[in-house]
Amino acid sequence: RKEVEQDPGPFNVPEGATVAFNCTYSNSASQSFFWYRQDCRKEPKLLMSVYSSGNEDGRFTAQLNRASQYISLLIRDSKLSDSATYLCVVPAQGYQKVTFGTGTKLQVIP
Amino acid sequence: NAGVTQTPKFRILKIGQSMTLQCAQDMNHNYMYWYRQDPGMGLKLIYYSVGAGITDKGEVPNGYNVSRSTTEDFPLRLELAAPSQTSVYFCASSYSGLETEAFFGQGTRLTVV
Repeated sequence: RKEVEQDPGPFNVPEGATVAFNCTYSNSASQSFFWYRQDCRKEPKLLMSVYSSGNEDGRFTAQLNRASQYISLLIRDSKLSDSATYLCVVPAQGYQKVTFGTGTKLQVIP
Repeated sequence: NAGVTQTPKFRILKIGQSMTLQCAQDMNHNYMYWYRQDPGMGLKLIYYSVGAGITDKGEVPNGYNVSRSTTEDFPLRLELAAPSQTSVYFCASSYSGLETEAFFGQGTRLTVV
């Protein structure tokens, strides 16, 4: 199993829709998780951290399922400006490095 | 604070040439990373460093070298450039590798012809 796996998409959704992405990870000892956003031809930027109890920031909700080893990102009321690639990040225990998923591409359509 | 600064932003190299991609951060971060991102693909770790004088290989280190003589700087050296090294290169830093946000530079777009 890869350290971090994401569905590459693209997810094409209409404005106002709710969309969810999952990211599975292999290291059961991982404690911290993050979602990053990457716009086309730009650098990744932190969107939100994922806490054990879940995390909500406006239209965005991130959740952690330790039993099944995945994190999720839910976007409600999608905006055109949400179109981007969403990367999940799982720090790799024992390697002192940050592992990025390959990303899920979201395209919000008018 | 400037954050993470990468230079140059764009570069075209001929096969067999060498160059150094510069990366500097002013956040006093211990951890620094070099990633490459091929078109439509995810980030692949080339090298990383957990502090001055300490570097280690990532997933795709072949054809690259790094050094970390100071906390601030983490240059990436390409020796004998090959077309397979055409990519976008991102430098990043974080306070701690495991628990904290990574900050990225704006990237260097490298084409090898």
